[in-house]
Amino acid sequence: DQQVKQNSPSLSVQEGRISILNCDYTNSMFDYFLWYKKYPAEGPTFLISISSIKDKNEDGRFTVFLNKSAKHLSLHIVPSQPGDSAVYFCAASEAGGSNYKLTFGKGTLLTVNP
Amino acid sequence: KAGVTQTPRYLIKTRGQQVTLSCSPISGHRSVSWYQQTPGQGLQFLFEYFSETQRNKGNFPGRFSGRQFSNSRSEMNVSTLELGDSALYLCASSLEGRVGPEFFGPGTRLTVL
Repeated sequence: DQQVKQNSPSLSVQEGRISILNCDYTNSMFDYFLWYKKYPAEGPTFLISISSIKDKNEDGRFTVFLNKSAKHLSLHIVPSQPGDSAVYFCAASEAGGSNYKLTFGKGTLLTVNP
Repeated sequence: KAGVTQTPRYLIKTRGQQVTLSCSPISGHRSVSWYQQTPGQGLQFLFEYFSETQRNKGNFPGRFSGRQFSNSRSEMNVSTLELGDSALYLCASSLEGRVGPEFFGPGTRLTVL
């Protein structure tokens, strides 16, 4: 049973526009969420996180929104740049647990076209 | 600044053998965590070390073990290899604190025949 789902395997966006990557989760014990970016032949890199006590966290062009009632989070990239083309993973950890014991989604490949 | 390095990058072993994988974190990072990635299960947490102490452990059998040295380098050992241990093993490096894994290495691809 997949507890963290990224239902869109891929997304294509024009440079300068907004990219919205979505993630749904089923485990109500999850209270900390992270997004990672992965380029080909490299390991993932932490991008941004959000705790369940917040509904929004912003870092430059990247904003993560959390809707706890819908068990849904999204990553917004504005404006999108060609260098943002990568696979994006969302991940979650349970309340009271370790922020290293993460459940990952399968990833969404974002392509930003010039 | 150098990234996370993992050695070897590829490894082929046979069932019943044991294997040791190595991870060198980013300079100054004291936390190293390990993950197994398979097509069916995705990324799964193995364990996390901080200042030579295992802080957290995932749900893997005792055949999977690890350690961290005083220079923060970490090794992971798998004994009595099984076919199902074939996977990409990733380690991640974090500065300190509890944000979670920050920078992952490129991984070691282990194939068990």
